[in-house]
Amino acid sequence: DAGVTQSPTHLIKTRGQQVTLRCSPKSGHDTVSWYQQALGQGPQFIFQYYEEEERQRGNFPDRFSGHQFPNYSSELNVNALLLGDSALYLCASSLGGLFSNQPQHFGDGTRLSIL
Amino acid sequence: KNEVEQSPQNLTAQEGEFITINCSYSVGISALHWLQQHPGGGIVSLFMLSSGKKKHGRLIATINIQEKHSSLHITASHPRDSAVYICAVRQGAQKLVFGQGTRLTINP
Repeated sequence: DAGVTQSPTHLIKTRGQQVTLRCSPKSGHDTVSWYQQALGQGPQFIFQYYEEEERQRGNFPDRFSGHQFPNYSSELNVNALLLGDSALYLCASSLGGLFSNQPQHFGDGTRLSIL
Repeated sequence: KNEVEQSPQNLTAQEGEFITINCSYSVGISALHWLQQHPGGGIVSLFMLSSGKKKHGRLIATINIQEKHSSLHITASHPRDSAVYICAVRQGAQKLVFGQGTRLTINP
């Protein structure tokens, strides 16, 4: 039973480019959350998807957008990349919708470096 | 001031020592998580608790809802326990707010 898988594991981009990160949730999970973790900091909540809709959003600009597919997998898109977008991007999945008491399961993250 | 504060930020100890990491939060929560993050970045959920105390092997987590405080204890620490330990609180619909993490190093 595969856990949360993210791709790619590492990515290098330049300023102004666009990037798409992918997440497959743990089997049976229907809710996906995305987090950004800058070096030496705790993760920061970006947004959360449930039933193919963005349900909650953290304090991130519109350059950050996402999508959830019918199979519950999700993408995070970042446009007009800035140096400050360099971070580890973590995906977490859970079961049972937004108000479930089930814990979140995390992927290993995608490390994005902006040159 | 961050909504979730951890202490200490860094902790170095000798193998076998009893370890305590503290977490204080200032918001209403539905649950609190203790997470372990290894250098590669992957995060493992250790505990999710909303009251009282939980134990798993050498790890013990406690929470005091009235005082808005939680502690993670490691007994008989081992070098393989070296990692960053993160406290995260859940507010409402699955949104997690994280502390900055405690970097633990256990020397043999």
